[in-house]
Amino acid sequence: DTEVTQTPKHLVMGMTNKKSLKCEQHMGHRAMYWYKQKAKKPPELMFVYSYEKLSINESVPSRFSPECPNSSLLNLHLHALQPEDSALYLCASSDQSAGPGKQYFGPGTRLTVT
Amino acid sequence: QKEVEQNSGPLSVPEGAIASLNCTYSDRGSQSFFWYRQYSGKSPELIMFIYSNGDKEDGRFTAQLNKASQYVSLLIRDSQPSDSATYLCAVSEGGATNKLIFGTGTLLAVQP
Repeated sequence: DTEVTQTPKHLVMGMTNKKSLKCEQHMGHRAMYWYKQKAKKPPELMFVYSYEKLSINESVPSRFSPECPNSSLLNLHLHALQPEDSALYLCASSDQSAGPGKQYFGPGTRLTVT
Repeated sequence: QKEVEQNSGPLSVPEGAIASLNCTYSDRGSQSFFWYRQYSGKSPELIMFIYSNGDKEDGRFTAQLNKASQYVSLLIRDSQPSDSATYLCAVSEGGATNKLIFGTGTLLAVQP
């Protein structure tokens, strides 16, 4: 089973709203990722958590705030977003213990900022 | 700056033909290579991975790696209209975080 789940599937929010995206995996993977993907572009890495610690922040604006409450869950808190932040937000997880880790993506959250 | 390059396409092949997708990478030290398939509006799906020089086959898919030429390819035999998608090549930086560097993707269109 290589399932990563994400909620919600779609989210529309205003520029003054606060919302959160949720990601969950039960594969025992110890690395989890947030990506942003715009139309006709490849996924763009935002954050990496390794063993529940933030290990990479790709210079993401502070209006995006990640959180890893435990080894199975990853959240992305959103606040004061801009219309250009509208995109598909993807979560992925990877098993680091078995050599070169294969990343498995969740279905994504389609975010629209109005 | 580590780079992964792909022809953006579209690559159009007739149903039943072999589709050949190519990828080059800049970091000679790269060790792990992945192919993802992404249907329009969906998330990327891992379909092949390869770590050693040579060919790796899985069903209708064959991944080929040539580290000396820094070249990875994906062959799809007996192409079907359902194979029509964007194919993303990704190269791992390795280490604890396994950061992936993605190519821009190749759009494959299989004509019935």
